[in-house]
Amino acid sequence: GAVVSQHPSRVICKSGTSVKIECRSLDFQATTMFWYRQFPKQSLMLMATSNEGSKATYEQGVEKDKFLINHASLTLSTLTVTSAHPEDSSFYICSAGTSGGAVEQFFGPGTRLTVL
Amino acid sequence: AQTVTQSQPEMSVQEAETVTLSCTYDTSESDYYLFWYKQPPSRQMILVIRQEAYKQQNATENRFSVNFQKAAKSFSLKISDSQLGDAAMYFCAYRSASATNKLIFGTGTLLAVQP
Repeated sequence: GAVVSQHPSRVICKSGTSVKIECRSLDFQATTMFWYRQFPKQSLMLMATSNEGSKATYEQGVEKDKFLINHASLTLSTLTVTSAHPEDSSFYICSAGTSGGAVEQFFGPGTRLTVL
Repeated sequence: AQTVTQSQPEMSVQEAETVTLSCTYDTSESDYYLFWYKQPPSRQMILVIRQEAYKQQNATENRFSVNFQKAAKSFSLKISDSQLGDAAMYFCAYRSASATNKLIFGTGTLLAVQP
């Protein structure tokens, strides 16, 4: 149980285009989802926290108009990188948590974004 | 604000030997959770072990155990009988026991296992 999927696993796009990444909890309801960014050989940097049905909370320094997050249902959150540029190339990871004070987060397999 | 520090960017261990990865953290809270995650080359984050701060007993999961020193704010991971499949990046993480379950990660330790 507790499986989180991400789609696509890899995406290559041209500079200036927008890219949408999906994060799904397959066998549980995720009241909270987290989006992380990871550069090579570095740690995970939390970008934002999203709760189902409400606006995402962005970490300091993360542009909310650049990285649009939608958590429309208890099993799906999306991250859209708008007007992507080469510096947005990175590995994006989502994780999902349940309600009721549950401690654990369940991580997706990540999406590698390359912007040409 | 809470911080997590991993002072060993890289470690190496011989197969079947034991290795200890260090982690220290800083917090003013008394109730929290600590985790060790493994990230193999596939990049999938895997939970290795977790510790509740209110528990004095150190957590153990098969070959993995922790040395949790609350007063010293230290949370090291011991891997016994190291296997080739243990080679990965290991991240220490902190989570407050408050409403938000946001994780704060350390910078990671890259563990190599020598055959």
